[in-house]
Amino acid sequence: DAGVIQSPRHEVTEMGQEVTLRCKPISGHNSLFWYRQTMMRGLELLIYFNNNVPIDDSGMPEDRFSAKMPNASFSTLKIQPSEPRDSAVYFCASSPQGGGQPQHFGDGTRLSIL
Amino acid sequence: RKEVEQDPGPFNVPEGATVAFNCTYSNSASQSFFWYRQDCRKEPKLLMSVYSSGNEDGRFTAQLNRASQYISLLIRDSKLSDSATYLCVVISTSGTYKYIFGTGTRLKVLA
Repeated sequence: DAGVIQSPRHEVTEMGQEVTLRCKPISGHNSLFWYRQTMMRGLELLIYFNNNVPIDDSGMPEDRFSAKMPNASFSTLKIQPSEPRDSAVYFCASSPQGGGQPQHFGDGTRLSIL
Repeated sequence: RKEVEQDPGPFNVPEGATVAFNCTYSNSASQSFFWYRQDCRKEPKLLMSVYSSGNEDGRFTAQLNRASQYISLLIRDSKLSDSATYLCVVISTSGTYKYIFGTGTRLKVLA
């Protein structure tokens, strides 16, 4: 069974550049989550969607971050312009509808902003 | 006070030992609880759910104490391969579902 698929696996770019992270959730899962993980702050929820609709974006750091889910099988997280402090591992996760279900994570995107 | 708290460790234990971690939560309305395992430079993976009556999966036992607002994970007969970071997740609802991860407890099983 295909799990959550994220791309790219690694991204290194210079500050000021636009970064786009991509995620394909598990087929049939209706909830999609974007997380950021750093040593200092641990795993932070950035935003989550239910049935393609953003439900809680209170974790999005600032206006430089935006997320979209145009359909049930695809989501993007965009950072524009990027800054060195955005360097982290970004995980996408999905879960079945019903609320309170466990999440299944993708492999993550390791982002380095120089 | 953080909504979900874990002792970061590390817990260094010899092979074969029994080790237990706790995870405390502040929201008494929390409804669902899970334990995840995360290996270095990997994604978190679901280890087990935590049920009100407690549940066991092989060497792993999870328990919930609603009165004291904590969940626990017990690992018996520790293996070297159990070395990882263990994250608890607490889910509460107040209109929408809110997933809160603990910062994790690091376990090292020593030969």
